[in-house]
Amino acid sequence: QQQVKQSPQSLIVQKGGISIINCAYENTAFDYFPWYQQFPGKGPALLIAIRPDVSEKKEGRFTISFNKSAKQFSLHIMDSQPGDSATYFCAATGGGSNYKLTFGKGTLLTVNP
Amino acid sequence: NAGVTQTPKFQVLKTGQSMTLQCAQDMNHEYMSWYRQDPGMGLRLIHYSVGAGITDQGEVPNGYNVSRSTTEDFPLRLLSAAPSQTSVYFCASSPAGWGYGYTFGSGTRLTVV
Repeated sequence: QQQVKQSPQSLIVQKGGISIINCAYENTAFDYFPWYQQFPGKGPALLIAIRPDVSEKKEGRFTISFNKSAKQFSLHIMDSQPGDSATYFCAATGGGSNYKLTFGKGTLLTVNP
Repeated sequence: NAGVTQTPKFQVLKTGQSMTLQCAQDMNHEYMSWYRQDPGMGLRLIHYSVGAGITDQGEVPNGYNVSRSTTEDFPLRLLSAAPSQTSVYFCASSPAGWGYGYTFGSGTRLTVV
């Protein structure tokens, strides 16, 4: 049972454009939703995270939007740059098991110059 | 401050061989986890630990063993390697409590022939 569904699998965006990656979850006990960025040959790195009591969190060009009723959250990358080209993973945890992250399957983002 | 250190970075095993993937962190984190990453599958949890002496199974534990005798170290043992265990393995650590992101190591690429 896949508890976190991520889409799209891959995404190509022009430099300066907006990249949008979506995730949906099933477990209503989840209460922490991080996004990770992974470059080839490297481990994932925490990018930004959100709690369900806020609808949006922004850090620089990266914004998480959260819709608790729909059990969905998304990552928006504004003014996308070639250096943003990476694989992005959404994840979720909580419900007393905050030591276990459940990951989406990832989105390969390519930003063309 | 080295963060999470994984060794080796690359390994080739023959079917049936055993080996240990090493993981060490110097951040005094209580939580540690092992994930495997396969194309199109995202990151799947193998085993995790919430403190020294405490370990439990994740989503895909078969064929793997762990122990946590110290806060710093969390080795992953492959008991009898199989081609299905060809993957990239990541170790990660996090402080205890809610809302902390995991810090990942740089990974071990394992090939079983």
